[in-house]
Amino acid sequence: DTEVTQTPKHLVMGMTNKKSLKCEQHMGHRAMYWYKQKAKKPPELMFVYSYEKLSINESVPSRFSPECPNSSLLNLHLHALQPEDSALYLCASSQGWMGGIDTQYFGPGTRLTVL
Amino acid sequence: TQLLEQSPQFLSIQEGENLTVYCNSSSVFSSLQWYRQEPGEGPVLLVTVVTGGEVKKLKRLTFQFGDARKDSSLHITAAQPGDTGLYLCAGATNAGKSTFGDGTTLTVKP
Repeated sequence: DTEVTQTPKHLVMGMTNKKSLKCEQHMGHRAMYWYKQKAKKPPELMFVYSYEKLSINESVPSRFSPECPNSSLLNLHLHALQPEDSALYLCASSQGWMGGIDTQYFGPGTRLTVL
Repeated sequence: TQLLEQSPQFLSIQEGENLTVYCNSSSVFSSLQWYRQEPGEGPVLLVTVVTGGEVKKLKRLTFQFGDARKDSSLHITAAQPGDTGLYLCAGATNAGKSTFGDGTTLTVKP
């Protein structure tokens, strides 16, 4: 099983709303990722969690707040977003072995629209 | 910053034609992945290549990893409309990050 699930599939929110994106994997992976992707562009890395600790934050604005409650779950809390934050948000996971083959498996994404 | 240059950026061909997509870097990667993505969906893993000079085949798709592990190619034989999508290469490092190419948007016309 190489499945990463994400909810919701679609989300429309106003600039004053607070919402959360959820991601789950049951592959025993110890690294989980959040990416932002604009149309016909490659995914842009936002955050990496390794063994449930935040290991990489790619200078993402504080209106995006990641959380890793346990090794299977990853959340992205959203608050006071801007219209330019509208994008496909992708979650990925990998085994997290340093120096080894660390293939990332992606979820289906959440299509976020900020009005 | 490790960069991956992917080419061509756009490719439109007729059904039955062959094509090759290239992914080049000046950096060495511990492994390299190829993904295919449809609009509004997440990237789906096609293959991981690890060993320099490695060739992997997946039905009509042939993947090659350069001897120095700095470049890779994806060759599709007899393309079909179902091959249409965004093809992404990603080079993995030991630092827990992957570097993505800019992608190749492939359109196969019936």
